Amino acid sequence: DAMVIQNPRYQVTQFGKPVTLSCSQTLNHNVMYWYQQKSSQAPKLLFHYYDKDFNNEADTPDNFQSRRPNTSFCFLDIRSPGLGDAAMYLCATSPSSASGAYNEQFFGPGTRLTVL
Amino acid sequence: GQQVMQIPQYQHVQEGEDFTTYCNSSTTLSNIQWYKQRPGGHPVFLIQLVKSGEVKKQKRLTFQFGEAKKNSSLHITATQTTDVGTYFCAGPNQAGTALIFGKGTTLSVSS
Repeated sequence: DAMVIQNPRYQVTQFGKPVTLSCSQTLNHNVMYWYQQKSSQAPKLLFHYYDKDFNNEADTPDNFQSRRPNTSFCFLDIRSPGLGDAAMYLCATSPSSASGAYNEQFFGPGTRLTVL
Repeated sequence: GQQVMQIPQYQHVQEGEDFTTYCNSSTTLSNIQWYKQRPGGHPVFLIQLVKSGEVKKQKRLTFQFGEAKKNSSLHITATQTTDVGTYFCAGPNQAGTALIFGKGTTLSVSS
């Protein structure tokens, strides 16, 4: 089945220790998103890719970086995790229109990040 | 800045009762989407509304898009325990580059 896969499902890291979360998709969608979702809150968009074009949200901290080496894979790098970065990180994909915002988004199961 | 607001934040109902969540945008939207997130799960797309005044039904769920394309509602008739979860509305930002999610309405249902 076509899907969005996130690994790992649970990640524990130490304060300040870099961590990488991964997302892969078999849907062949050209738009990919990374969201941060804290408990009882809405998903907050960090950045998205339209093909290889990277779009950073204005309020995304510099601590968060992303890479998309090909259509299928996208990575979220947190360079120096703080306690406030503990959250669920959701990857989503969308078939485009120009930005993908007009089309439904397909979410992965998420990676729950714990920062000790 | 552009905002998408939802009320209520929480709603508890007895099984069989109806449920409605309301979504309001500070700006006119080209479309609105609804997602459901089960406890411990991820958001799952339910529907997209595009036309002014549009009404769509999915079994017991009725979705409406306001005439001014600034508000929307989701109504569930005769709730079941399987309806439990958080319902989010989301609309495109003004640049059309991303979705802005409302804060969601969390529905709990007791049998």
